[in-house]
Amino acid sequence: AQSVTQPDIHITVSEGASLELRCNYSYGATPYLFWYVQSPGQGLQLLLKYFSGDTLVQGIKGFEAEFKRSQSSFNLRKPSVHWSDAAEYFCAVGLVTNDYKLSFGAGTTVTVRA
Amino acid sequence: KAGVTQTPRYLIKTRGQQVTLSCSPISGHRSVSWYQQTPGQGLQFLFEYFSETQRNKGNFPGRFSGRQFSNSRSEMNVSTLELGDSALYLCASSSGSSNEQFFGPGTRLTVL
Repeated sequence: AQSVTQPDIHITVSEGASLELRCNYSYGATPYLFWYVQSPGQGLQLLLKYFSGDTLVQGIKGFEAEFKRSQSSFNLRKPSVHWSDAAEYFCAVGLVTNDYKLSFGAGTTVTVRA
Repeated sequence: KAGVTQTPRYLIKTRGQQVTLSCSPISGHRSVSWYQQTPGQGLQFLFEYFSETQRNKGNFPGRFSGRQFSNSRSEMNVSTLELGDSALYLCASSSGSSNEQFFGPGTRLTVL
C-alpha cells in the first residue's frame, strides 16, 4: 500500500543546534515530494519540493532536504535552528500520474528550547 | 499575488446541520483541492476540482461534496453534520502545470 511515514512524532532541539526530520515513502515510482510547515492555527506553508534532478534541494527559511531513492527517503535538515522554527512539519507526496492529490505523513512537532 | 483565502475562518454548528465553506484560489490557479485535518486522522484528501470538474476524490462519505465556479472559486458542503466532522478544513490551489499546492489558512469547523 502507498504510504508516507514520519517516524518521529515529536522532536525537541536546542536553539542553534541542527535539526533533521525523517520522511519515508512507499510508492511504486518516484513521486513528487514536499515538506510543509504549519504553525498553530495556521495553514500549511511550502518549505521545499523535489520533482526531479539534483537530489539535494534548498528551500525557504534555511531548510534543505535530500532525496535518496535507494532508501525511499526525503529527510529535511536545518543546520542551526531558531526559536521561530517551532512548528509542525509535514512530509507529503504526490503521484506523477495523479497530480493534485497529496498524501501526507502524520507530522513531526518540533519544540525549540532556549 | 494574494494567497489562497478561505471563509469563514471559524464556524460552530450543531449535529444534523449543514455547512458551506468557501475557498478563493490564487489568481490564475485553476486547480483547487480540499483537505480535512484532525488530530486523529491527520491530513486527508477530500477532493480536487479543475475547470469546474471534479478530477479526484478521497474516501469520504457522500455527505461531503464540492463544486467549483467559472472563476475557479470553490465551495465545499457538508450535510447532516456529525461530531466527527469537527476539523480544520484546508483548501489548496495549484496552477495546473505542476503538483505544487499552496494552502489557505483553513476553516476551523466545530460541531456540537
